[in-house]
Amino acid sequence: DAKTTQPTSMDCAEGRAANLPCNHSTISGNEYVYWYRQIHSQGPQYIIHGLKNNETNEMASLIITEDRKSSTLILPHATLRDTAVYYCIVRVPMRFGAGTRLTVKP
Amino acid sequence: EAQVTQNPRYLITVTGKKLTVTCSQNMNHEYMSWYRQDPGLGLRQIYYSMNVEVTDKGDVPEGYKVSRKEKRNFPLILESPSPNQTSLYFCASSLGYATNEKLFFGSGTQLSVL
Repeated sequence: DAKTTQPTSMDCAEGRAANLPCNHSTISGNEYVYWYRQIHSQGPQYIIHGLKNNETNEMASLIITEDRKSSTLILPHATLRDTAVYYCIVRVPMRFGAGTRLTVKP
Repeated sequence: EAQVTQNPRYLITVTGKKLTVTCSQNMNHEYMSWYRQDPGLGLRQIYYSMNVEVTDKGDVPEGYKVSRKEKRNFPLILESPSPNQTSLYFCASSLGYATNEKLFFGSGTQLSVL
């Protein structure tokens, strides 16, 4: 049962990169790492996912360690609108833990 | 526009009065799911469905029913709501039930049971 561990909260200065870590030491070989975020009480929004290789899209980059036991979501230039709770998930059906509350400050 | 639509957005009801929260998706997704979100507890899965006529319990199914008679619709039914079902509910869907399918979420339904 792959579970994830994330810091409860993080702060980031506007315009700087936000690096959100996630530990998933019990991940199975075929399980993807997903990242979602939830802004206030809106529905969670998909950000990115990956299996082994690093991934990048228009929203973020995902760095997965070689042993796949941890990953980092990178928001390259954080804005105030990126303030949200970020969830790291590694199994299906998806279970959302407490996530990391990221606050981007001016 | 591809989306998951939930209705209503807000609902206030009284204990014991049956209610249904509707969920519809226009993406021809096979997999649909319901979550509830409570402060300090994150999102917890109530029920999910891998295809028409196929449903299964999630982590917190007590007090809820679902049906999947059509691919696009997945209503959540509370036969006899109680105050402990006051919560924010989300419906979600994905193309399939596989390890690399991303979920699309609705905007949520805030339910208050008095």
